[in-house]
Amino acid sequence: EVQVVESGGGLIQPGGSLRLSCAASGFSFRSYAMNWVRQAPGKGLEWVSGISGDGGRTYYTDSVKGRFTISRDNSKNTLYLQINSLTAEDTAIYCCAKDMGFLVDTASFDHWGLGTLVTVSS
Amino acid sequence: QSALTQPASLSGSPGQSITISCTGTTSDVGSYNLVSWYQHHPGKAPKLMIYQVSKRPSGVSDRFSGSKSGNTASLTISGLQAEDEAEYHCCSYAIGSTVVFGGGTKLTVL
Repeated sequence: EVQVVESGGGLIQPGGSLRLSCAASGFSFRSYAMNWVRQAPGKGLEWVSGISGDGGRTYYTDSVKGRFTISRDNSKNTLYLQINSLTAEDTAIYCCAKDMGFLVDTASFDHWGLGTLVTVSS
Repeated sequence: QSALTQPASLSGSPGQSITISCTGTTSDVGSYNLVSWYQHHPGKAPKLMIYQVSKRPSGVSDRFSGSKSGNTASLTISGLQAEDEAEYHCCSYAIGSTVVFGGGTKLTVL
């Protein structure tokens, strides 16, 4: 059974940093791109970042470029998101989502986690 | 990277058909046959219902169908059932190797 489980969220002060993790199981992790998608309170889903199966290509939405870094460790079947210079607008549930392809070029996410909550507040 | 436009809410009675629209631009929906739809029940993980505009993943009911015309994609649910009540999100690949979602549509089954 495919499973992706996020962790690492919490309450963080503005300007702070956090590293989110996503542990994957039940599929050939290195064969698929992975993505981070967030949902702020009362808002829709927002794609944040994606990474190819081999980690060689990374992509970001404009609002997080330069602040967020996506990475993966295929030996540990784990996806990461390093988030820096946090603002209140980054408050959201962050979900990891398995892509249906090796590259970040399908916009089709067939397995999702429940997410981890990041709250940015002083 | 503007969000795709969906109606905020829709409602229908059991057995009816409803269609949720998702309007983008020539930078996303209009240029790629890479539109997907997700069903999201509160407290659960989003579920892929449609990918590549009109394909259904294994296990998804054939009551769900997708289509696209120009810059607008649509999700149609036929034979509405109580368990279809959820939020539905459209998603499209976009120019610049990015992905954009819609604002979500809350579907109420009366």
